[in-house]
Amino acid sequence: NAGVTQTPKFRILKIGQSMTLQCTQDMNHNYMYWYRQDPGMGLKLIYYSVGAGITDKGEVPNGYNVSRSTTEDFPLRLELAAPSQTSVYFCASRRDRETGELFFGEGSRLTVL
Amino acid sequence: AQSVTQPDIHITVSEGASLELRCNYSYGATPYLFWYVQSPGQGLQLLLKYFSGDTLVQGIKGFEAEFKRSQSSFNLRKPSVHWSDAAEYFCAVGQSGGSYIPTFGRGTSLIVHP
Repeated sequence: NAGVTQTPKFRILKIGQSMTLQCTQDMNHNYMYWYRQDPGMGLKLIYYSVGAGITDKGEVPNGYNVSRSTTEDFPLRLELAAPSQTSVYFCASRRDRETGELFFGEGSRLTVL
Repeated sequence: AQSVTQPDIHITVSEGASLELRCNYSYGATPYLFWYVQSPGQGLQLLLKYFSGDTLVQGIKGFEAEFKRSQSSFNLRKPSVHWSDAAEYFCAVGQSGGSYIPTFGRGTSLIVHP
């Protein structure tokens, strides 16, 4: 029973490098989200998707890109990494639009030096 | 726009003592309300949720929460805290009527003394 799977769990990047955080879910959920978590700041929404082929910006999208070619996968791309992107990233999915709970992955800790 | 306030950044309790974590929300219509728990190094797990009906909601691990519309609050309670309850707790609100973007509070860190 995998749920939401994120890879990698840890990564160190140099300033200016690029990388992709992978997220996949096996629950056939249409709604998927990327959050970042910084100490004392809670979760901030980066991007979200309401279904394959449909994505939209959240509260803090600058420096990130996403795609949603399948229902299962929702990768988050970091272009030209900056120290401000040092954070813990969480992917989550949701069964339905209004009442469903979010199911979270275990997170990806990214450090940009 | 919807918002969630968790006024306490840290809460310290002794094991066996009762617990109340505060959550206030701002939204004009009927909200959908959630409490999540995050253990160190883990993702968030749902504790309980309120959509409608009985305003006292029971969740997992012995937690409960009460929705008070007049106070715009959804406080989380537990009558007797266990050391394993030490974690970060997040309140979240979702809109009824079509929104699909839940908003999270900043979290409250629970410290449990033996």
